[in-house]
This record gives sequence, C-alpha cells and structure tokens, in this order.
Amino acid sequence: ELKVEQNPLFLSMQEGKNYTIYCNYSTTSDRLYWYRQDPGKSLESLFVLLSNGAVKQEGRLMASLDTKARLSTLHITAAVHDLSATYFCAVAETGANSKLTFGKGITLSVRP
Amino acid sequence: NAGVTQTPKFQVLKTGQSMTLQCAQDMNHEYMSWYRQDPGMGLRLIHYSVGAGITDQGEVPNGYNVSRSTTEDFPLRLLSAAPSQTSVYFCASSYSLGRNSPLHFGNGTRLTVT
Repeated sequence: ELKVEQNPLFLSMQEGKNYTIYCNYSTTSDRLYWYRQDPGKSLESLFVLLSNGAVKQEGRLMASLDTKARLSTLHITAAVHDLSATYFCAVAETGANSKLTFGKGITLSVRP
Repeated sequence: NAGVTQTPKFQVLKTGQSMTLQCAQDMNHEYMSWYRQDPGMGLRLIHYSVGAGITDQGEVPNGYNVSRSTTEDFPLRLLSAAPSQTSVYFCASSYSLGRNSPLHFGNGTRLTVT
C-alpha cells in the first residue's frame, strides 16, 4: 500500500526567508503532483513531476523530484503572505491506471 | 468554461437519510473521482471512474455508491447517512490517469450529518 508523508504538517514562516517542505512516499512511482488549497477553497494544481531529477518553478515556488530517494521537495524563496495556504503532494504508483494517494498536507503561514 | 461543477455547496442531513451529490464536468475528461477531506486526514479516495460505464472503489467506499452513465456526470449517492460521513466532498476530473494529467477539482460540498 502506497503511503505518502508530508512534513512538517505546519510551518510558520517569516516574510522574506527561504524554506523547504518535503513529501516522502513508500513505493515506486512515476508521477508526483503538488496542489495548493486556500482555507475553505478547492485545490489548485501547482506542479506535475514525471521523472527523476525533474524540477519545476513558478514564481517563488520550486518543486523537485528524486525518485530514487522517493522524495519531493517544495522550496519557497523569500516567503510572502500570499503563499499562506495548505500544500498537498499526491503520488501514483508506477503504471498507467494507478490512482493518486494524497499526503495529509502542510499548512504554511507567513508572518510579517 | 465551467470546469468541474458540484452541487449543492452545503447540505445538512439527518442520520438515515439518503441524498445524491452531483458532479459535472465540461472538459471531456475520461477520469472522474470523488474524495472526502477531513481535518488532519488529507484527501481520501471514495470512488473513481476511468470512463462512461466504468467505476471502481477507492480507499473508503463503504456507504457510498456511484454510477457513470455519461462522460460528463459522476454523481455520488449516500445510501443511509451516518455522522461519520460528515465531511467536505470534492469531485475531481482529468483527461486520464496518465502521466501529465493533473486533477481539476470542483469547489466542494460541505455535508453535515446530525
């Protein structure tokens, strides 16, 4: 059974500083997704990572994937208040019809 | 383009009542799914469908039924509501379960069972 762990579950960030959050998974996977959820809202797709060493960047967020370590990182550069949200990673086991398993999410709060 | 539309947005049920949560997408997506979100639990897959006429169970299917008679619609039926089904329900769709197909989520239905 695929297990997806995110840590930390809550992170208080100071504006302007850099942070990294992590997503670990337990079995072989060929794709990993990052989603963002604002309080009381739906989930929005941020990144799709499909291969070992894949790196995607959007604004102050950069996601990377190490399939050998079964680890994805989401790096935040110079945190700003607008990045306050809950971030989920979702992983599918290798195979065309494998379902996604979500982590429990990491809630980021950016303080002045 | 409406995307994924869920109705209702809010619902209160009494224990034992039944209801259907509606989900429709206008993106011609083959894959549709239902998740429930509970505090501290992330999202858990209830049922999913890879195309019209095909459905399968996810991680937490008990107490729920689905059908997929058209590509566009994927309703979720609660047969006899229980307080444990109090949750936020999300419908999500994608072109396929394939590699470069992120899920598109609806806005959710907040269900309370008393």
